Amino acid sequence: GNSVTQMQGQVTLSEEEFLFINCTYSTTGYPTLFWYVQYPGEGPQLLLKVTTANNKGSSRGFEATYDKGTTSFHLQKASVQESDSAVYYCVLGDYQGGRALIFGTGTTVSVSP
Amino acid sequence: GALVYQYPRRTICKSGTSMRMECQAVGFQATSVAWYRQSPQKTFELIALSTVNSAIKYEQNFTQEKFPISHPNLSFSSMTVLNAYLEDRGLYLCGARDGGDTQYFGPGTRLLVL
Repeated sequence: GNSVTQMQGQVTLSEEEFLFINCTYSTTGYPTLFWYVQYPGEGPQLLLKVTTANNKGSSRGFEATYDKGTTSFHLQKASVQESDSAVYYCVLGDYQGGRALIFGTGTTVSVSP
Repeated sequence: GALVYQYPRRTICKSGTSMRMECQAVGFQATSVAWYRQSPQKTFELIALSTVNSAIKYEQNFTQEKFPISHPNLSFSSMTVLNAYLEDRGLYLCGARDGGDTQYFGPGTRLLVL
């Protein structure tokens, strides 16, 4: 079945450092891939999505490439800010399978000034 | 823009009692609504997916008898947690979709069970 793996539970950075969050997926189809971000006290909100394999999505300085060859969808940002501190989820859309969104386990990013 | 409201934001109930939570989509038509539970460890469990004109599909470990869901129109859904116990604690999130592939989430209803 479809699944998503995020191995990093926690990432701690200083402002202006490079952020990289690892995400790999397993699928039998051609799902849309998403990154959602969740701030304390809020629900997840869409950060970016990519519908087609080998395309890149970007938003607010974050970017991720849907790599069908390595089945990866890593998130990166060149220079983080304290306001980027949040939990980031790699997500796979599985509507055809009737399972809505499949969330990774999340990566907590803490950025210090 | 697309907004999703959930209420109450937080509720406390006694063990064995039931509570109802609501989800409202504003600015778009929610053709499907998914209910999730987020654990204190931040992991997500899909409870059920409700799509207009289709039967509600529950995930394994979740049943209609325990988590009845109503999705009467394109802007509203509700879910009840019947006979709540400690293991039902968590943040219940509603994700609504307008027929595209993006789900818009509400802020959640946090359930505490005493």
